[in-house]
Amino acid sequence: QKEVEQDPGPLSVPEGAIVSLNCTYSNSAFQYFMWYRQYSRKGPELLMYTYSSGNKEDGRFTAQVDKSSKYISLFIRDSQPSDSATYLCAMKRAGGTSYGKLTFGQGTILTVHP
Amino acid sequence: DTAVSQTPKYLVTQMGNDKSIKCEQNLGHDTMYWYKQDSKKFLKIMFSYNNKELIINETVPNRFSPKSPDKAHLNLHINSLELGDSAVYFCASSQELPSQETQYFGPGTRLLVL
Repeated sequence: QKEVEQDPGPLSVPEGAIVSLNCTYSNSAFQYFMWYRQYSRKGPELLMYTYSSGNKEDGRFTAQVDKSSKYISLFIRDSQPSDSATYLCAMKRAGGTSYGKLTFGQGTILTVHP
Repeated sequence: DTAVSQTPKYLVTQMGNDKSIKCEQNLGHDTMYWYKQDSKKFLKIMFSYNNKELIINETVPNRFSPKSPDKAHLNLHINSLELGDSAVYFCASSQELPSQETQYFGPGTRLLVL
């Protein structure tokens, strides 16, 4: 079983739709939760970062973390064609010798069509 | 100015050859990483260096040898290339300060082994 599971999709939605992307994980030591966006033939770029449980909002993007259920989500409101990309969830332990080791989900391919 | 740069962007080579990929970051970060992304977009850490010292080695074949001549550079040398080494290799860097968990990724090096 992978430490982080993410529905690979693909997900295709019309412009303006609300998109929900999700990951589940098995390692309760994860404390930092991130969402990366990766456009075709580019490197991943950090979209949202959350520490421990709770919600974080940034413009049209909302990240939610539920540590009790080991479940994280990314919501995109009013989705735009420019949001079409692969979205990767990533997680990290706090402290110790982790030194930044990120464990990624498989990525969800999202297409927003006009 | 490119924060994390990699050369070359594309690499096509024959099985059994030896090749190197170079990475440089101008962000002043202490920690650098190599990731491998397979054809299904799964991104997995290979190595991490902190201040030129190897701190993460994720069960990578010893045909892969990272080298960090200084904090700003992390190179990856691959001996005796195999078909399964075909992938996109990403370099990343971060500054491991409290609440600063962002990893910045390079554009990737697309390696094809024939």
